[in-house]
Amino acid sequence: GAVVSQHPSWVICKSGTSVKIECRSLDFQATTMFWYRQFPKQSLMLMATSNEGSKATYEQGVEKDKFLINHASLTLSTLTVTSAHPEDSSFYICSARDAGGRNEQYFGPGTRLTVT
Amino acid sequence: AQSVTQLGSHVSVSEGALVLLRCNYSSSVPPYLFWYVQYPNQGLQLLLKYTTGATLVKGINGFEAEFKKSETSFHLTKPSAHMSDAAEYFCAVSGMTGNQFYFGTGTSLTVIP
Repeated sequence: GAVVSQHPSWVICKSGTSVKIECRSLDFQATTMFWYRQFPKQSLMLMATSNEGSKATYEQGVEKDKFLINHASLTLSTLTVTSAHPEDSSFYICSARDAGGRNEQYFGPGTRLTVT
Repeated sequence: AQSVTQLGSHVSVSEGALVLLRCNYSSSVPPYLFWYVQYPNQGLQLLLKYTTGATLVKGINGFEAEFKKSETSFHLTKPSAHMSDAAEYFCAVSGMTGNQFYFGTGTSLTVIP
């Protein structure tokens, strides 16, 4: 089956620093990838839609200058949390939509970010 | 516009008892409907999905769900709960032509031995 990986699985960083999270589709091409954020015991909230070779589309209320998304290839999207603050601590999950066009997303295992 | 409502943020059942997790949706287009399970500190695992065709959908681990258009529902059931079913369950809806998933707020399932 389709596999999506995320790296790192968890990261601790100091306030004010930046951290990059990678999302890879391992066995399929993904023209579209999505980034979700999940606070403890809450649902997933879509942050942005990442399209290969173009600018990401951010959901209302998500700061594009803080959460930089790059989708440079059909198998890799990155989310960079810039100048991280403790309130950015969360579980970040990516998903990838296969280029075949089926309306199904494959989710990564998530990245736990803790900002101290 | 699309949205999902999951009734009951916490559900407890005895081991061996019926599991019923409720999901109602709102969609302006024919929906694609999904159930995902999430174990602590892990990503989402697809249990089952409805796109078109048969309204009773069977998924993994003995789960199934029935799409009822008249009731705008997609409830998840399992005849006999197992301890390993304890997890968080999310219902999601997506439009036929759109990419975006809308998730419900989740239901935490506890299985009592």
